Amino acid sequence: QTVVTQEPSLTVSPGGTVTLTCASSTGAVTSGYYANWFQQKPGQAPRALIYSTTNKHSWTPARFSGSLLGGRAALTLSGVQPEDEADYYCLLYSGPWVFGGGTKLTVL
Amino acid sequence: QVQLQESGPGLVKPSETLSLTCTVSGGSLITYYWTWFRQAPGKGLEWIGLIHSGGNTAYSPSLKSRVSISVDTSRNQFSLRLNSVTAADTAVYYCARYVWDGSSSAAFDIWGHGTMVPVSS
Repeated sequence: QTVVTQEPSLTVSPGGTVTLTCASSTGAVTSGYYANWFQQKPGQAPRALIYSTTNKHSWTPARFSGSLLGGRAALTLSGVQPEDEADYYCLLYSGPWVFGGGTKLTVL
Repeated sequence: QVQLQESGPGLVKPSETLSLTCTVSGGSLITYYWTWFRQAPGKGLEWIGLIHSGGNTAYSPSLKSRVSISVDTSRNQFSLRLNSVTAADTAVYYCARYVWDGSSSAAFDIWGHGTMVPVSS
C-alpha cells in the first residue's frame, strides 16, 4: 500500500509565503498522480482547492497554487491570510486514491 | 448548484452493518462518479471507494472485503454499506462528487457536510 507523506506542521507569518509538499513512497510524484489538495478547518468538511496537480476550482483564492516540486506535489500559499490557518490534505492516485496525513498550518 | 447530503443511523453496534445514503440535489448524478470518504476522530482523511452512475466501482484495498457502494439514479442517491463494523470504523463519513474526464483531469470537487457514525454497543 502506497504511503503519502506531508509535513505534519508548518508555521507562516501573515503576508508570507509557504509551500506544503506531498511525497509518495512509490517514487517521484508526476502528473499521473492527479494530485488534489483540500483545506479543512475545525468542525468543517474539507474544501477542494486544487485538482490534477495545478488546476484551481472556481472558488479557489488566487493566492493558492499547485505544482510539482522536486518529485513531490506542492501547494504554495502566497500572501498568507489569517483565515488560511487550517489542516491541508493532499490526495494522490496510485491505483487506489491515498491521502497524506495532513499538514497543520499555523498563521502566526 | 449541486449539493450533497449524507443520511443514516446515528449509531451502529459492533459486528453490524453501517449503511449511509448520499442525496444529490441541484443536479443529476448521471455521467459523474461519486465517492465516499471518512475521518476518524482527531485523525486524517481516508478514501473508501467510488462508483460511476453506470455502476462501475472501485474500493480501497484495506476496506474492499467489507464495503459496497451502490447507486440509485431514479432517486438521485448513492449509498455505502460497510459490514462487520468495529469501534475502528467510528468516523465522520463524507460523500463527494468525483469528476474524471477520462484522461488528464481528476477532481473531487463538491462535498457533503459529513455525518458522524459512532460504533458502540
